[in-house]
Amino acid sequence: EVQLVESGGVVVQPGGSLRLSCAASAFTFDDYTMHWVRQAPGKGLEWVSLINSVDTFYAEFVKGRFTISRDNSKNSLYLQMNSLTVEDTAFYYCAKEDSGWYDLAYWGQGSLVTVSS
Amino acid sequence: QSALTQPPSASESPGQSVTISCTGTSSDVGGYNYVSWYQQHPGKAPKLMIYEVSKRPSGVPDRFSGSKSGNTASLTVSGLLADDEADYYCSSYADRGTRVLFGGGTKLTVL
Repeated sequence: EVQLVESGGVVVQPGGSLRLSCAASAFTFDDYTMHWVRQAPGKGLEWVSLINSVDTFYAEFVKGRFTISRDNSKNSLYLQMNSLTVEDTAFYYCAKEDSGWYDLAYWGQGSLVTVSS
Repeated sequence: QSALTQPPSASESPGQSVTISCTGTSSDVGGYNYVSWYQQHPGKAPKLMIYEVSKRPSGVPDRFSGSKSGNTASLTVSGLLADDEADYYCSSYADRGTRVLFGGGTKLTVL
């Protein structure tokens, strides 16, 4: 069974940095495009970034502050987040595409990032 | 880039049908058949219900169906069950800037 497990969510001060990780299992990790999606408490879903075998894409609000990466040898996805603001407070989900295009068929349980002084 | 537009709420009685709309532009919903729909129950991760406008992942009941006309996609849920009460989000590929857009979400109440 496909599993995605996020980690790294903490409380961080405005202007701070942190790296989220997503450990993947039960599928051939390097074959699939991976995404990060966030959800502020009580709000809707917001796409953050995706990475495939050759490229990366980001939401416009990222503005160069976040970097998505993957280590196929470790079956892991990462999101390095810098210059954090209170507006970045959210649950961050990693998600995996499946057989279609932009179909986020598998999701982790989410990791809570809280930006607060 | 604006999020896709969904009605904030919808409601219908058990056994009935409800349709939720998702409006974008020709640069996203209208230009590509890469519209997905997600169901999210409180405190849970989203679940993919429809992808590529009208395809159902394995395990999703055929009570859930998707369609598109112009810049508006739609999710129809027929034979409503109490467990269908949840938030529903549409998403679409976009060819400029933010590559994946989500709608604001629709809270479906099964009366």
